[in-house]
Amino acid sequence: DAGVTQSPTHLIKTRGQQVTLRCSPISGHKSVSWYQQVLGQGPQFIFQYYEKEERGRGNFPDRFSARQFPNYSSELNVNALLLGDSALYLCASSLGPRDRFYEQYFGPGTRLTVT
Amino acid sequence: AQSVAQPEDQVNVAEGNPLTVKCTYSVSGNPYLFWYVQYPNRGLQFLLKYITGDNLVKGSYGFEAEFNKSQTSFHLKKPSALVSDSALYFCAVRDDIYGNNRLAFGKGNQVVVIP
Repeated sequence: DAGVTQSPTHLIKTRGQQVTLRCSPISGHKSVSWYQQVLGQGPQFIFQYYEKEERGRGNFPDRFSARQFPNYSSELNVNALLLGDSALYLCASSLGPRDRFYEQYFGPGTRLTVT
Repeated sequence: AQSVAQPEDQVNVAEGNPLTVKCTYSVSGNPYLFWYVQYPNRGLQFLLKYITGDNLVKGSYGFEAEFNKSQTSFHLKKPSALVSDSALYFCAVRDDIYGNNRLAFGKGNQVVVIP
């Protein structure tokens, strides 16, 4: 079975631009979470979605938004990009927000560079 | 909020020697603890988790972790380190009082296994 897939792999944007990152969860998984990993730090939680509904939001500005589609794939949007948004963006999927295994499976990430 | 701390930046160990990566946690209620590993330019790979039960948890690739409630620790261990174990290791705790799968990560430990 395919794991979590993310696209694109790498992205270079200019300050002020907007970006959309995409994620497809493992087949059968209904929950998708997004994390931001700045170089030298651990991942920081951005959003969690389950059955198309937002189930959690981290401490990120409103420039960050996300949605989940009926096929459980997800998009993360970031508007008005800042240099500090440069990071590895990770998507993780799990069976559900409360599945008893609590395991999240991460994709390879999208490396965003803002210049 | 729940949190974990990884006090060391880098752990150096000779190949064949025991490997320990330290993690302490701060939670209200029962902790749900995880270890992930990240190889260069890759996403996070799940190693093991502690939800409840035995304090010694066995995971992937020969890794295990010991949950110690009195010391609020969850150290990762491997009896005999391999050069291929060189990677970035993250401790994480479920950080959502509503039972969702939001994770809070430590800053990570770089493990270097010396041939």
